[in-house]
Amino acid sequence: DSGVTQTPKHLITATGQRVTLRCSPRSGDLSVYWYQQSLDQGLQFLIQYYNGEERAKGNILERFSAQQFPDLHSELNLSSLELGDSALYFCASSPRTGGAYEQYFGPGTRLTVT
Amino acid sequence: QQPVQSPQAVILREGEDAVINCSSSKALYSVHWYRQKHGEAPVFLMILLKGGEQKGHEKISASFNEKKQQSSLYLTASQLSYSGTYFCGTEIPPDSWGKLQFGAGTQVVVTP
Repeated sequence: DSGVTQTPKHLITATGQRVTLRCSPRSGDLSVYWYQQSLDQGLQFLIQYYNGEERAKGNILERFSAQQFPDLHSELNLSSLELGDSALYFCASSPRTGGAYEQYFGPGTRLTVT
Repeated sequence: QQPVQSPQAVILREGEDAVINCSSSKALYSVHWYRQKHGEAPVFLMILLKGGEQKGHEKISASFNEKKQQSSLYLTASQLSYSGTYFCGTEIPPDSWGKLQFGAGTQVVVTP
């Protein structure tokens, strides 16, 4: 158990819908990262927040947005869902920002868009 | 830019050794190694930093060759628990400062 929690574990929804994925980082960690993992794409970095502020952005679609709240939990919002958005979405946390810090991954949310 | 991992897959018998490589076309600041078992989250193994510092907590070693912009992960005397997919993640400043680009992964199967 990494100490990072994610809810829900599974999500099944229809195309065009909007969903929110939630992540609580390990106690004391200030950085939260979101990743998408689909079968043909590997682990793709989406976005990073550090202490409430957006710090780095990856290949995140405009239909996706995220935020980190004062209590440091983070939410990833996915809207106008398409079949191709079906994937495992991982949240990871680290004590600070930067490549010198290990990232601890949550169990993931499996999103299925039908 | 995504690092290149090799080999794509390796099958070992318990007790055998293997090396997984992670190469970049650009200078690296740090290399992270993670292992993921099927249906589970990636688990942190090691960080190697430019300058030689290493951080890790498993009996798996790694090296970082700054000149070659390459890191290698050494699975020595492999155990059944080593099975899984190994990913390297690289941080290449300044474009990807603070974010990791992951390789496609190397699948490792250890058989009895």
